[in-house]
Amino acid sequence: EVQLVESGGGLVQPGGSLTLSCAASGFTFSDHYMAWVRQAPGKGLEWVGRTRDKANTYTTEYAASVKGRFTISRDDSKNSLYLQMNNLKTEDTAVYYCARLSVTAPLYNDYWGQGTLVTVSS
Amino acid sequence: DIQMTQSPSTLSASVGDRVTITCRASQSISSWLAWSQQKPGKAPKLLISKASSLEGGVPSRFSGSGSGTEFTLTISSLQPDDFATYYCQQYNSYPITFGQGTRLEIK
Repeated sequence: EVQLVESGGGLVQPGGSLTLSCAASGFTFSDHYMAWVRQAPGKGLEWVGRTRDKANTYTTEYAASVKGRFTISRDDSKNSLYLQMNNLKTEDTAVYYCARLSVTAPLYNDYWGQGTLVTVSS
Repeated sequence: DIQMTQSPSTLSASVGDRVTITCRASQSISSWLAWSQQKPGKAPKLLISKASSLEGGVPSRFSGSGSGTEFTLTISSLQPDDFATYYCQQYNSYPITFGQGTRLEIK
């Protein structure tokens, strides 16, 4: 069974930093691109960014709203995905979901974690 | 970015009803559309990919149709477990974008 379990959320002040983790199991993690998606309170889903697999040199892409502040990384040896968030703003307050991307192109989110809440507030 | 517009935002229905949710794209996305279901506090669950391909284990009362810019998700006979929020997701081009969601509630 595919499982994605996020952790690391919490309360942080504006301008602060936080790192989220996602532990994956039930599939060959290294075969998949992985993504982060967020959902602000009462709002819809917003793609944050993604990381490719080793064959594609782990390159990353980001939404314009987080580019330069957020960094996605992965450790295939630990079946883990990370989201380093710097210079956090109040508008970054959201539930952050880890998502697996399909192996068949074009890629889509086929499994999701339950999410971890990040609150940016003074 | 491609804009996805779902309608209605909220839908009230009864067990046994047939319901349809619509998702419109701001430009053609061919058939590269997925539907997911989310219950409060739970992970979204993929129901349909490529506009009409049902994922394994998803009940056959769920169906999807459409291509280009207009798509529908139909539930043929609502069951108590179906009351949730539904999202469409386009993956024709990056970034992946989502509809704002349709909350299906019990009448």
